Amino acid sequence: GNSVTQMEGPVTLSEEAFLTINCTYTATGYPSLFWYVQYPGEGLQLLLKATKADDKGSNKGFEATYRKETTSFHLEKGSVQVSDSAVYFCALTVQTGANNLFFGTGTRLTVIP
Amino acid sequence: EAQVTQNPRYLITVTGKKLTVTCSQNMNHEYMSWYRQDPGLGLRQIYYSMNVEVTDKGDVPEGYKVSRKEKRNFPLILESPSPNQTSLYFCASRLAGGSGEQFFGPGTRLTVL
Repeated sequence: GNSVTQMEGPVTLSEEAFLTINCTYTATGYPSLFWYVQYPGEGLQLLLKATKADDKGSNKGFEATYRKETTSFHLEKGSVQVSDSAVYFCALTVQTGANNLFFGTGTRLTVIP
Repeated sequence: EAQVTQNPRYLITVTGKKLTVTCSQNMNHEYMSWYRQDPGLGLRQIYYSMNVEVTDKGDVPEGYKVSRKEKRNFPLILESPSPNQTSLYFCASRLAGGSGEQFFGPGTRLTVL
């Protein structure tokens, strides 16, 4: 089946620290991979995506590389800011009629000054 | 502005009182979905629609109904709400094909007493 396993939170970091949030997946077929971010009181926004092996998605200083050999899509940022405090969701989709995004459980990140 | 809108944003109701949460998108997307978000469970798909008059069950459809009479609208109906349907609900849409990226509404927080 299709599933996403995501690093448990919450994660608390000091400003300018390095961030890694682990994400691994299982999928039937060839998935596209996503990181979504949910800021307090808001809906989900796409942060970055990758659609094939070895692709690197990047946005706002965040990066993630599609690793087919390890079935992983870890999110990284070299220097976090207070404004990065949010919940981060790893997700995958397989192009079928079900149109389903399979989400991890989310990781809450808090960045302190 | 391209967006997905949901109404209401917040709703408190009582067990058994029928309610509808509306969802509308202005991007001419074929696919629309409803998700619920619960702590520790991430987001789970309730129902989806591939186009007008085409709907199907997601992973957690019990207690919900949907309809797709127009391409832009995809209302979620709770005929007889129960406390276990207290949750945060998101509507999403996407184009057919492509990378599978979905666009999310701002969410509806529902409390059933």
